[in-house]
Amino acid sequence: DAKTTQPNSMESNEEEPVHLPCNHSTISGTDYIHWYRQLPSQGPEYVIHGLTSNVNNRMASLAIAEDRKSSTLILHRATLRDAAVYYCILRSGANSKLTFGKGITLSVRP
Amino acid sequence: EPEVTQTPSHQVTQMGQEVILRCVPISNHLYFYWYRQILGQKVEFLVSFYNNEISEKSEIFDDQFSVERPDGSNFTLKIRSTKLEDSAMYFCASTPGTGGVTYEQYFGPGTRLTVT
Repeated sequence: DAKTTQPNSMESNEEEPVHLPCNHSTISGTDYIHWYRQLPSQGPEYVIHGLTSNVNNRMASLAIAEDRKSSTLILHRATLRDAAVYYCILRSGANSKLTFGKGITLSVRP
Repeated sequence: EPEVTQTPSHQVTQMGQEVILRCVPISNHLYFYWYRQILGQKVEFLVSFYNNEISEKSEIFDDQFSVERPDGSNFTLKIRSTKLEDSAMYFCASTPGTGGVTYEQYFGPGTRLTVT
């Protein structure tokens, strides 16, 4: 599986935007970029995914670099409930497993 | 909104005992997964299951582990002879499975297994 690299942690203030970066320099042409998050004491939760174009949904936006070697998850207005570990994951096969790294721990200050 | 459920939420067992962890995936989903997370560590893939057979398994999923879909709704993970190092949070997940990589996986709340 192609590898992703994320910072260990990030802090944000409540109601401010948050940009969570991910590097995936060895991404292949068929890899989709997925983001999941894990709130404390809960199972992972899907956030968003994309292939080449930027994507928006009700939870977040995903900005993908033109060369696809990096991406950024954007939370437009962080809330205390967004404090979690966020995982950037590449998936290449139909219904393939998710390979989790350590993720980035987001802390949100009130 | 449909959700994946898991029972029990917490299971305590003695080393060497058999345990069965149960999951009810979302009803129209076709692919099922088990993951585990040892306290403070990464979420690790164990096995995926489709059409009543294992489609992929990790090195962790050795002969002590087995999975089954006994009745069309439940999806179980059995550990035949538990070891101390099996203590972890076990997550079940499911996905519709008809479209390929773009489908998200829906995770259950997990079962905390404690082996003493």
